[in-house]
Amino acid sequence: DTGVSQNPRHKITKRGQNVTFRCDPISEHNRLYWYRQTLGQGPEFLTYFQNEAQLEKSRLLSDRFSAERPKGSFSTLEIQRTEQGDSAMYLCASSLGGIGSPLHFGNGTRLTVT
Amino acid sequence: GESVGLHLPTLSVQEGDNSIINCAYSNSASDYFIWYKQESGKGPQFIIDIRSNMDKRQGQRVTVLLNKTVKHLSLQIAATQPGDSAVYFCAENSPYSGGGADGLTFGKGTHLIIQP
Repeated sequence: DTGVSQNPRHKITKRGQNVTFRCDPISEHNRLYWYRQTLGQGPEFLTYFQNEAQLEKSRLLSDRFSAERPKGSFSTLEIQRTEQGDSAMYLCASSLGGIGSPLHFGNGTRLTVT
Repeated sequence: GESVGLHLPTLSVQEGDNSIINCAYSNSASDYFIWYKQESGKGPQFIIDIRSNMDKRQGQRVTVLLNKTVKHLSLQIAATQPGDSAVYFCAENSPYSGGGADGLTFGKGTHLIIQP
């Protein structure tokens, strides 16, 4: 399977703990995106990378959130001091870039903060 | 603010019938539109896209129609099958959507239910 891969699929954590998610994009895609999706809603943009450079962050991305893409390949999203409001599906997507290049999504990591 | 939305939260159709899912957008600067299908527990799956210089595009059993005059987008699915049951999202890209260079803004989705 050469699609976007995300790990873990599910994560249950206690409030206040730190969590880290990983995304492996489609290999030839140089753009990588993180989105968050809550129940009944469409995905909301968090941040994106062009190769290893993080070029844009949404105001949804609080200081407790940090994303990296150190070698321009896989990416990690870390949430520090998790809160119950962080419970959501975290989706990663990748694209070749440019208008007309659709985003291809992984199956997400579902985070539950208890 | 400007956003993408859908007219109906749930659409129920008989297996074998055609279905039409509608989407209204308000950002006249949007130049690229995508339809995604999302099944339970999975990420959005690309179905079909259309650039703003087109008004119709066809795929396998799916057709997307774009009416820029009234800022309306629709997805037509022919001869629906049980596997078509999912939530369908339209998404738009505009230079100022704030969603990254290819920034996509999503609507809330329409849940398509296929009845036997």
